[in-house]
Amino acid sequence: DTGVSQDPRHKITKRGQNVTFRCDPISEHNRLYWYRQTLGQGPEFLTYFQNEAQLEKSRLLSDRFSAERPKGSFSTLEIQRTEQGDSAMYLCASSLGGKGHTIYFGEGSWLTVV
Amino acid sequence: GENVEQHPSTLSVQEGDSAVIKCTYSDSASNYFPWYKQELGKRPQLIIDIRSNVGEKKDQRIAVTLNKTAKHFSLHITETQPEDSAVYFCAAPAGGTSYGKLTFGQGTILTVHP
Repeated sequence: DTGVSQDPRHKITKRGQNVTFRCDPISEHNRLYWYRQTLGQGPEFLTYFQNEAQLEKSRLLSDRFSAERPKGSFSTLEIQRTEQGDSAMYLCASSLGGKGHTIYFGEGSWLTVV
Repeated sequence: GENVEQHPSTLSVQEGDSAVIKCTYSDSASNYFPWYKQELGKRPQLIIDIRSNVGEKKDQRIAVTLNKTAKHFSLHITETQPEDSAVYFCAAPAGGTSYGKLTFGQGTILTVHP
């Protein structure tokens, strides 16, 4: 079990630039989730996929954010025209899907917008 | 949607003492309650979870209790050790179903003094 991996682990970008994060879930997991966590807060749900289908998006996910999971394996989260308020840790998680299956988090991608 | 309240926000104990963290939830349909431990700069790691068909679950020094009538659940850590120091988050499924769209509490910073 290699766990959920995320890349890059840290990203510093200038305001207005675009950034993309990648997540590779645990290999047999068909559900993939993106969360955002700011300092001193718990993770907040952004979106999730079952296989390649994006089934739900939080209202936190503005139109500058887009997530894809084209082949039902890895996923990307892109933020366009970054703002300072986007600075956070972006956590990916995966699960086997269905009810009652535990989700496992990756180490996260830290974004700092300067 | 689900609302999760967690208390206390900080907890300081001496090594060997017990620690208790409490959470309340709002959606009576919620049926799965995980607890995550997060060390500084690391990912949230599942330490224990409970499903609504049981009232208590133990795993070595960690236990979780659930009171569905009162809609609250608690984490109990006995014989605390300095390595238990971390931020602990409770969570409940947003929308009541037990899949990975979780609503997290605000977190409890636990400090165990040697």
